[in-house]
Amino acid sequence: AQSVTQLGSHVSVSEGALVLLRCNYSSSVPPYLFWYVQYPNQGLQLLLKYLSGSTLVKGINGFEAEFKKSETSFHLTKPSAHMSDAAEYFCAVSEDNDMRFGAGTRLTVKP
Amino acid sequence: GAGVSQSPSNKVTEKGKDVELRCDPISGHTALYWYRQSLGQGLEFLIYFQGNSAPDKSGLPSDRFSAERTGGSVSTLTIQRTQQEDSAVYLCASSSTGAPTDTQYFGPGTRLTVL
Repeated sequence: AQSVTQLGSHVSVSEGALVLLRCNYSSSVPPYLFWYVQYPNQGLQLLLKYLSGSTLVKGINGFEAEFKKSETSFHLTKPSAHMSDAAEYFCAVSEDNDMRFGAGTRLTVKP
Repeated sequence: GAGVSQSPSNKVTEKGKDVELRCDPISGHTALYWYRQSLGQGLEFLIYFQGNSAPDKSGLPSDRFSAERTGGSVSTLTIQRTQQEDSAVYLCASSSTGAPTDTQYFGPGTRLTVL
């Protein structure tokens, strides 16, 4: 069965700094990979997803992620953090009707 | 409505009581999912409905948990004889077809507190 590991339950960056949230997956088949964001007291919303094709995926709010098969990774990045990016971020891998989520990374942005 | 809605938003109950949590998916979405989010943990899959097919109940943690989906739309998650460890946020999501490539659209969740 597929699984996801998110390295770092908490990440803190300064406003304007690079954001890097790490995600590694395991899957027995070519994976479908997702990043979701959860703002306080809200449900999750999709940031971006990789299904096939170009390994660099661009999402909303300036985020992007790169699928690296050799490293089984799908790290999320944003060149310059904004205060509004403070939230919890979940990586997920999907097979059949089964989506498995990582434990989440809480991003704090310092002024 | 435009998105997935859940009710109630907060539920406080006493140990041993039964609770019902409701989910209204996006109109036309055939797939519906329930997840549990405990403090500091990721999302734990509970149950999946797809159209008229038998639900995938493989994630339900005990026989105290059950769910139904009436008319292929609204879903109710029922927890009988609640325990303190059931305290969590229960999230519902829907997707258009249930395909693994589909985006899941989440409701705001129901925060359940068992005293």
